Amino acid sequence: NAGVTQTPKFQVLKTGQSMTLQCAQDMNHNSMYWYRQDPGMGLRLIYYSASEGTTDKGEVPNGYNVSRLNKREFSLRLESAAPSQTSVYFCASSVLPQVRSGNQPQHFGDGTRLSIL
Amino acid sequence: GDSVTQMEGPVTLSEEAFLTINCTYTATGYPSLFWYVQYPGEGLQLLLKATKADDKGSNKGFEATYRKETTSFHLEKGSVQVSDSAVYFCALRNSGGGADGLTFGKGTHLIIQP
Repeated sequence: NAGVTQTPKFQVLKTGQSMTLQCAQDMNHNSMYWYRQDPGMGLRLIYYSASEGTTDKGEVPNGYNVSRLNKREFSLRLESAAPSQTSVYFCASSVLPQVRSGNQPQHFGDGTRLSIL
Repeated sequence: GDSVTQMEGPVTLSEEAFLTINCTYTATGYPSLFWYVQYPGEGLQLLLKATKADDKGSNKGFEATYRKETTSFHLEKGSVQVSDSAVYFCALRNSGGGADGLTFGKGTHLIIQP
């Protein structure tokens, strides 16, 4: 029972390099999310996809792009990495978007630890 | 906008002690409330949830009650174990519009000593 799978688990980049973080879920969920976790900041929403074919900005979208490739997969791209993007990135999924069922929890992957030098 | 405030810690307790981690929230409408737990090097796991006022969520000996009058969702456990050492996040999900996603507190690092 894989749930939400993120790849890679660790990555080191140089400033200016590009990178795509991959996320896939096997729970037939409609909604998917990308968060970043920084010390003392909790988790902050970067982008989300309420359903296949839609994406929207969250709290901290600058410097990132996303693609909802199909119902299972939701990728996060850093076009030109900056040291401020050093963080742990989490992907999550939920059965439904909040406007349809706000009481559904989100299920998280194990994270990608990204360091930008 | 929505926000969640929780004690940040670290909170250090002895095994078998009583645990309370405070969580208060600000939100429009009627949010659902969650506690997530993160063990070292892992992702977040749902611990418990409550979807309306006076609901009590419970799991693995942990409990939290949705108190609308005090906008609180405090996490409690009667007797903690070393294996409970982790970071605990209080979060809300608001169906009242705006960006989807959970709003998290900053997390409380709990350390249980044998």
